[in-house]
Amino acid sequence: DSGVTQTPKHLITATGQRVTLRCSPRSGDLSVYWYQQSLDQGLQFLIQYYNGEERAKGNILERFSAQQFPDLHSELNLSSLELGDSALYFCASSVVGQGGAGELFFGEGSRLTVL
Amino acid sequence: DQQVKQNSPSLSVQEGRISILNCDYTNSMFDYFLWYKKYPAEGPTFLISISSIKDKNEDGRFTVFLNKSAKHLSLHIVPSQPGDSAVYFCAAASGYSTLTFGKGTMLLVSP
Repeated sequence: DSGVTQTPKHLITATGQRVTLRCSPRSGDLSVYWYQQSLDQGLQFLIQYYNGEERAKGNILERFSAQQFPDLHSELNLSSLELGDSALYFCASSVVGQGGAGELFFGEGSRLTVL
Repeated sequence: DQQVKQNSPSLSVQEGRISILNCDYTNSMFDYFLWYKKYPAEGPTFLISISSIKDKNEDGRFTVFLNKSAKHLSLHIVPSQPGDSAVYFCAAASGYSTLTFGKGTMLLVSP
């Protein structure tokens, strides 16, 4: 158990809809990262928050947005969903603000299926 | 453009033998490298890391080798065990950047 909690574990929805994925980081971790894993793709970095503020942005679509709340949990909002958005979405957390020097702890992921 | 490449999607090894997983990178600014292991229905978990100031790091059955001139690193598992069957991701970072992951290599260790 990494200590990172993601909900829901599975989600099935239709094209055009909007969903919210939730992540609670490990106790004491200030940084939260969101990654997307599509079929035959590695872990694509989407966005990072550190103590409530956006710290780094990766290949995140404009239809996607995220935020980190004062209690440090984070939500990833995916809107106007397309079939290609079907993927595993992982949340990770770390103590440090910069992920490169430290270990990331991953949640079990949220599997999104868009029909 | 894949900055971290794992060119072997899968690898099959017999129990007790050595498993060698390879990773190539293109960004010469990367100075920290990690391997993560992922079982089905679980998130990736950290396995081992190496800084660019070293060329080898060992942790039990796992050893990571770094060849900076070739921009290549490898993970050796000796001896391989069936419980090592998983997807292995190579990841890299430069300075304070976030991690860039490869696509992963699925390792199957058969008894």
